[in-house]
Amino acid sequence: GENVEQHPSTLSVQEGDSAVIKCTYSDSASNYFPWYKQELGKGPQLIIDIRSNVGEKKDQRIAVTLNKTAKHFSLHITETQPEDSAVYFCAADFGNEKLTFGTGTRLTIIP
Amino acid sequence: NAGVMQNPRHLVRRRGQEARLRCSPMKGHSHVYWYRQLPEEGLKFMVYLQKENIIDESGMPKERFSAEFPKEGPSILRIQQVVRGDSAAYFCASSPTGQPNEKLFFGSGTQLSVL
Repeated sequence: GENVEQHPSTLSVQEGDSAVIKCTYSDSASNYFPWYKQELGKGPQLIIDIRSNVGEKKDQRIAVTLNKTAKHFSLHITETQPEDSAVYFCAADFGNEKLTFGTGTRLTIIP
Repeated sequence: NAGVMQNPRHLVRRRGQEARLRCSPMKGHSHVYWYRQLPEEGLKFMVYLQKENIIDESGMPKERFSAEFPKEGPSILRIQQVVRGDSAAYFCASSPTGQPNEKLFFGSGTQLSVL
């Protein structure tokens, strides 16, 4: 079935350190893997996405890597700042015009 | 260009009442998705609509829930005879064409509380 697993569920890192969140997916037919950031009381906001024809994508302090063989993808945030504190969701498109989301990671940046 | 607009932001209903949640997609977007988020959980797909058509409602409960996206006006998610278990945040997202791999843009959600 369509399933996305996300780890860890909570993550605390010192300001300035890096944070890594990992997701695995069940269907090798998936081709699109976005990451969303959700701040308290707000809707999810797309922060970066990757398609299956590339292995890595970077946007300033944020990067995403994709390993299609192993069916996993990861979000990397470097030089973390307090405003990075939020809940992060990975998702995958299983080719059926809708996204399936992971269960989320609550990231806390410790000043 | 305004984003996805949802209203109300907060909705309180007593058990047995009806809840109507509204979503206006981004300008130029004709595809709307509804997701439900329970506390401390991820987003669960409910329904995908195009103007005047339901494309995929595989995530909708079989009873009490319905959705529409008329030719004119916002998309409506309707929950009849609400129960406490319906309490959740309901998010709407939109995309331009509904093609696979297309970016979804989310609204700020409606927090439904059932007393």
